[in-house]
Amino acid sequence: DSGVTQTPKHLITATGQRVTLRCSPRSGDLSVYWYQQSLDQGLQFLIQYYNGEERAKGNILERFSAQQFPDLHSELNLSSLELGDSALYFCASAKDQGGNEYTDTQYFGPGTRLTVL
Amino acid sequence: KNEVEQSPQNLTAQEGEFITINCSYSVGISALHWLQQHPGGGIVSLFMLSSGKKKHGRLIATINIQEKHSSLHITASHPRDSAVYICAPYFGNEKLTFGTGTRLTIIP
Repeated sequence: DSGVTQTPKHLITATGQRVTLRCSPRSGDLSVYWYQQSLDQGLQFLIQYYNGEERAKGNILERFSAQQFPDLHSELNLSSLELGDSALYFCASAKDQGGNEYTDTQYFGPGTRLTVL
Repeated sequence: KNEVEQSPQNLTAQEGEFITINCSYSVGISALHWLQQHPGGGIVSLFMLSSGKKKHGRLIATINIQEKHSSLHITASHPRDSAVYICAPYFGNEKLTFGTGTRLTIIP
């Protein structure tokens, strides 16, 4: 158990819909990272938040957005869903104290499997 | 363009064998992560290294910054080591780049 929780575990929805994925980081971790893993693209970095502020953006679509709340949990919002958005969505947390991202171990949540029909 | 290559893509070995998975990248990096993804999908971070060598149990990770290469070794491999192993260099452009992974199968 990494200490990172993600809800829901599975989500099945229809094209055009909007969903929210939730991530609670390990206690004391300030950074939350969101990743997408699809069959054709592999793992891809989407976005990072550090202590409530957006820190880095990767291959995140404009239809997707995220935020990190004062209690440090984070939500990833996916809207106008398309079939190609079906994937595993992981969040990971890290201490990243001092702003040294990626040089701290990241702890991954169990993932949310999104299926868009 | 920041590129990552892992080899082999697939590896099948007998229990007890010494395993080596390689990762090469195109430009200088600040750090490199090795991840393990279990058949059920869960991801575990094995190592983060920026130089030299790290060891944890039967796992050893090395990195050669000058040669832009990292290796993950597993000694006395066991069927429970069967997983996909992914290297992820950090190129300093504020995002991790992931290799395509090596699927390891250990046969009892």
